[in-house]
Amino acid sequence: ETGVTQSPTHLIKTRGQQVTLRCSSQSGHNTVSWYQQALGQGPQFIFQYYREEENGRGNFPPRFSGLQFPNYSSELNVNALELDDSALYLCASSFYVSGTGGTDTQYFGPGTRLTVL
Amino acid sequence: GESVGLHLPTLSVQEGDNSIINCAYSNSASDYFIWYKQESGKGPQFIIDIRSNMDKRQGQRVTVLLNKTVKHLSLQIAATQPGDSAVYFCAENGGATNKLIFGTGTLLAVQP
Repeated sequence: ETGVTQSPTHLIKTRGQQVTLRCSSQSGHNTVSWYQQALGQGPQFIFQYYREEENGRGNFPPRFSGLQFPNYSSELNVNALELDDSALYLCASSFYVSGTGGTDTQYFGPGTRLTVL
Repeated sequence: GESVGLHLPTLSVQEGDNSIINCAYSNSASDYFIWYKQESGKGPQFIIDIRSNMDKRQGQRVTVLLNKTVKHLSLQIAATQPGDSAVYFCAENGGATNKLIFGTGTLLAVQP
């Protein structure tokens, strides 16, 4: 088991609503990345947070936003939910290695299963 | 666009046999590759990684091989056990992009 935790484990929302998902990173890690995993697919990168700022973003619309807090925990916010947002949302923490342009190994949490009706 | 793909979506092996899961990647600039195991209802679990300056890396019962010439990655599991049954993903990290690019996964089914 990694030290990455996510809450809630399951969530049901209706189309048009807003949702906030939470992630606590592993001890010693300073970077959090969020991924969306549709059923039967591999995870897709949403964005990464380092030093409380977005540090890279995938092909997701602006209604997907995030925050990182001084304790390195993070939130993922999704506005105006659509049916296609139904997925497993994964958080991964890692240690950003300054000067190398990349992070160390990313360790994943158990995910939050979001269902949009 | 960039992609990481797997040749076989499902692999069925007998308990005790060796398993080989293959993966092709398209971004020749990628310098770091990771294998993850994902069991039903859980997040991906790190298995082993390899950097582009290496051809082979061994762990406990697992070996990753990297062939940069043909952009191919494989995961070998020795003496496969029922607990190895899961979906296996390869992922690449292009370094500066900070993101992992995953394939669709291979389901490994271990028959007793």
